[in-house]
Amino acid sequence: GAGVSQSPSNKVTEKGKDVELRCDPISGHTALYWYRQSLGQGLEFLIYFQGNSAPDKSGLPSDRFSAERTGGSVSTLTIQRTQQEDSAVYLCASSLGLAGVGTGELFFGEGSRLTVL
Amino acid sequence: AQSVSQHNHHVILSEAASLELGCNYSYGGTVNLFWYVQYPGQHLQLLLKYFSGDPLVKGIKGFEAEFIKSKFSFNLRKPSVQWSDTAEYFCAVNAGGADGLTFGKGTHLIIQP
Repeated sequence: GAGVSQSPSNKVTEKGKDVELRCDPISGHTALYWYRQSLGQGLEFLIYFQGNSAPDKSGLPSDRFSAERTGGSVSTLTIQRTQQEDSAVYLCASSLGLAGVGTGELFFGEGSRLTVL
Repeated sequence: AQSVSQHNHHVILSEAASLELGCNYSYGGTVNLFWYVQYPGQHLQLLLKYFSGDPLVKGIKGFEAEFIKSKFSFNLRKPSVQWSDTAEYFCAVNAGGADGLTFGKGTHLIIQP
């Protein structure tokens, strides 16, 4: 597609439920990132995929968070047993290569706003 | 690991005022620097970037930023702001690590007509 697509745009769930957030990157982009944006906290790196390599999971805040990327394209971020502190906007970004290097500018989706009641 | 500090969390200006948003980073090696903007209800988009060469870089919508290596700074400037510049501004740095860009906490800019 023309840009990074994320779904759902809004998700309200009850504490303890599992949620899945989807990201469809720009076609041809090999790198895919998930960030979390909380009020007043900026953007927190969660996980990074580069092609078919093993993902860099160093930013995931707990083992309730996981992500996968199928076929080097679409990615799903899963949060199990959601907690109220998981409420945030989850942003996906893609780039041609390693972000910030050369032309590896990050292109962001509009985010998925998660509210845990 | 690198970190990014944006000193102003909220800035309120009148139209036609000059703007400078501070950004400092902590990393002693070569860095790539970015400013992203998020207009209300829209996604983050690149405002400008610095990789090498002229430390004064120009971006979209009349914005510019100056990289001062000795001060570890990359401040964003605009001589005359407009109401449409109301947005959240994020400074980001990449030092070549696999975690991509490290972002500051953002500056919420409000321009009053």
